[in-house]
Amino acid sequence: EIVLTQSPGTLSLSPGERATLSCRASQSVSSSYLAWYQQKPGQAPRLLIYGASNRATGIPDRFSGSGSGTDFTLTISRLEPEDFAVYYCQQYDSSPTWTFGQGTKVEIK
Amino acid sequence: EVQLVESGGGLVQPGGSLRLSCAASGYNFSPFWMHWVRQAPGKGLVWVSHMNGDGTTIRYADSVKGRFTISRDNAKNTLYLQMNSLRVEDTAVYYCTRDRGHPDAFDVWGQGTMVTVSS
Repeated sequence: EIVLTQSPGTLSLSPGERATLSCRASQSVSSSYLAWYQQKPGQAPRLLIYGASNRATGIPDRFSGSGSGTDFTLTISRLEPEDFAVYYCQQYDSSPTWTFGQGTKVEIK
Repeated sequence: EVQLVESGGGLVQPGGSLRLSCAASGYNFSPFWMHWVRQAPGKGLVWVSHMNGDGTTIRYADSVKGRFTISRDNAKNTLYLQMNSLRVEDTAVYYCTRDRGHPDAFDVWGQGTMVTVSS
């Protein structure tokens, strides 16, 4: 099973700042089968990025994904008030099990 | 509008059973792989089970294998999760979600239904 480790656990930033979130896999994730989700309190997760770098429908371009192999990054170029949330990475390379990282909370500083 | 709506959650005693439903609307349900994902209170997301469009491919997480059964009725556009021999550690919000194009990311999520296993 591929284990995903996200860092940092919590990121304290101000609106307008840049956020960089990391997701490291215990083994290579082929074909960039890596996704990022945003979850706000009391809500279901929302798909942000799939295929490591492709924005999902309706996702603002301040969100970008990059990386390959075992190291992936989600970048939020300028934090908006609605971006403060928990972010999860997920791999869907290691079928038949899909695994998520433990999450990174982006909180207002 | 593409939508998934779960129902069937509630409070159950350890050893009991529940059946969750997930009603899909706004898209052609039958071709899509569907998944169940759960989230214990204050914890992260955990994949539980999936099924392909015609029900011929099914997988479970080890933690629920032998106790949970996933199924679907394409005529009713509905996904199910039969949960038996429930344990306290099964307490979670259960989400149904759609796979974009297997294997792929989960692009549509229901609002979730809470399952509480407690005596």
